[in-house]
Amino acid sequence: AAGVIQSPRHLIKEKRETATLKCYPIPRHDTVYWYQQGPGQDPQFLISFYEKMQSDKGSIPDRFSAQQFSDYHSELNMSSLELGDSALYFCASSLEPNLGMNTEAFFGQGTRLTVV
Amino acid sequence: DAKTTQPNSMESNEEEPVHLPCNHSTISGTDYIHWYRQLPSQGPEYVIHGLTSNVNNRMASLAIAEDRKSSTLILHRATLRDAAVYYCILRDGNKAGNMLTFGGGTRLMVKP
Repeated sequence: AAGVIQSPRHLIKEKRETATLKCYPIPRHDTVYWYQQGPGQDPQFLISFYEKMQSDKGSIPDRFSAQQFSDYHSELNMSSLELGDSALYFCASSLEPNLGMNTEAFFGQGTRLTVV
Repeated sequence: DAKTTQPNSMESNEEEPVHLPCNHSTISGTDYIHWYRQLPSQGPEYVIHGLTSNVNNRMASLAIAEDRKSSTLILHRATLRDAAVYYCILRDGNKAGNMLTFGGGTRLMVKP
């Protein structure tokens, strides 16, 4: 079965550079979520989109932006990178925006970003 | 979102059952109880969820207390592959908010 695809899997950037992470949700899924996980930490919610509109926002820095495109894939744009941005970035998708009901989120394998 | 409390870590022997507890004394009537797990170097993975009744699926069982203030995730026969951090998460079924809030999970170690 198709899963959530994230690219690239690994990325090395220098301080003050920009990075773009891509997420391709499971076909027909209309909601995408982005999470950041630092070393030894729990995943932290950044932002989510439902039907190409931002639906919820977490602890996403102003230097980061994201969008969901007409084909439902999403991109996380990160500018003025800092050493502290080094982390695993996970994307997840689901079929409905409300996870409280009978929907589950499917996570990708993540993109490991290293800022040097 | 209502807060959950889980043990920091638990240990189990391979092929034995594992009971992972979760306390959620401030749960509201519309909160669903979700469990996710995260294996080393992988993204979180859905395990099971329920509202009031006990639930079973191919991965695990979820036992929910009658007052819903606690629940237990049951792995019937632990394998080495079940070693992971298990998160108990409450989600409001009436809320349009989307995110899962991860925090304070249980690290399960499985001994051969």
